[in-house]
Amino acid sequence: EPEVTQTPSHQVTQMGQEVILRCVPISNHLYFYWYRQILGQKVEFLVSFYNNEISEKSEIFDDQFSVERPDGSNFTLKIRSTKLEDSAMYFCASSHLWTSGSYEQYFGPGTRLTVT
Amino acid sequence: AQTVTQSQPEMSVQEAETVTLSCTYDTSESDYYLFWYKQPPSRQMILVIRQEAYKQQNATENRFSVNFQKAAKSFSLKISDSQLGDAAMYFCAYRTGGGADGLTFGKGTHLIIQP
Repeated sequence: EPEVTQTPSHQVTQMGQEVILRCVPISNHLYFYWYRQILGQKVEFLVSFYNNEISEKSEIFDDQFSVERPDGSNFTLKIRSTKLEDSAMYFCASSHLWTSGSYEQYFGPGTRLTVT
Repeated sequence: AQTVTQSQPEMSVQEAETVTLSCTYDTSESDYYLFWYKQPPSRQMILVIRQEAYKQQNATENRFSVNFQKAAKSFSLKISDSQLGDAAMYFCAYRTGGGADGLTFGKGTHLIIQP
């Protein structure tokens, strides 16, 4: 069964450094998303991406974040200058349109980002 | 803004028994979808069940079913014949009908299965 994959599974970085989190969405999906989950808290939406551009973004997704689909398979989240509070689990998800009209989002296993 | 509320931080159930997890939401939209996701200790988010707001019939997936009360904006998850593998965090989530819209999650309910 197709699945969303994410690399790396765990990334440790120093404050102020740039990090790139990588995702490979399910191949026939059209919408891609990034979410964040700080330890012990709920999952929060960051951004959605469709047709090679950002569709929606939350207040969390400020200028230090960017997303890109550099080729036909990868979808990346870049954090330009990491802060301690960026430490979290980052989930990538993808979806397509079902006959019900629902866009069911399928999540990757997550990348745990630790900023020291 | 849409909000999703899960009022039970933790629930415990005996193996083979039935448990119901509660979720309420607030929205002014008429076209929306509701989901339950399971997050085991691995932290992978797994889709359990979905409900389309325009459907009156409650969704069912094997041992999992929902009680969707649109007027009350309530969306509870019933797990029948609970199994040890059901132990996880369960998140209720909402989204509007557009493909670009992100999910709004509740804070989750930690489900413990007692053997």
